[in-house]
Amino acid sequence: AQSVTQPDIHITVSEGASLELRCNYSYGATPYLFWYVQSPGQGLQLLLKYFSGDTLVQGIKGFEAEFKRSQSSFNLRKPSVHWSDAAEYFCAVGGGMRFGAGTRLTVKP
Amino acid sequence: GAVVSQHPSRVICKSGTSVKIECRSLDFQATTMFWYRQFPKQSLMLMATSNEGSKATYEQGVEKDKFLINHASLTLSTLTVTSAHPEDSSFYICSAKRGWPVGRPPDEKLFFGSGTQLSVL
Repeated sequence: AQSVTQPDIHITVSEGASLELRCNYSYGATPYLFWYVQSPGQGLQLLLKYFSGDTLVQGIKGFEAEFKRSQSSFNLRKPSVHWSDAAEYFCAVGGGMRFGAGTRLTVKP
Repeated sequence: GAVVSQHPSRVICKSGTSVKIECRSLDFQATTMFWYRQFPKQSLMLMATSNEGSKATYEQGVEKDKFLINHASLTLSTLTVTSAHPEDSSFYICSAKRGWPVGRPPDEKLFFGSGTQLSVL
């Protein structure tokens, strides 16, 4: 069965610092993987997705993620965080769209 | 880009009444739609998968008689919360998967509605 784990419930970083949000998945074959961002009381916005090919995926808003099959991971990164990046981030595995528990990002000024 | 419209964005109802939430794909045909609920500060939980013209597939633990899903056309799916109770209060989100022309690679991208906050008094 597909499943997604986001080990970090809450992360706080300073504005301008780098960011890495962790995501681990369980899936029998090569998964479709996604990262979404959700602002309070809002729907979800797709940041990036991985289907196949290049394991380093570039997304919107300066985000990127790297698929590592050996580690069953798809971590989200951003080299320099902006205050507007504060939100809830969800990793998801495709097909039935199973979501991780989410990681809340707080950005300190 | 593809847009999914979800209405209403917020609804308050009395216990025992039914509430209908609509999810429309505005500029594409959605062969499959998904319904989720989200409790405060928690993740999205998939409730059911809805395919146009067929019965919805419900996730384990989701009462199909409680949460009625209708996907009557390629652009509209509805979720009806029947005989709502306070414990049904939640944020409900729909998403739509765009149909893809035969011969082209599948697009697993989902388009999400903006969500409906249901409060049952």
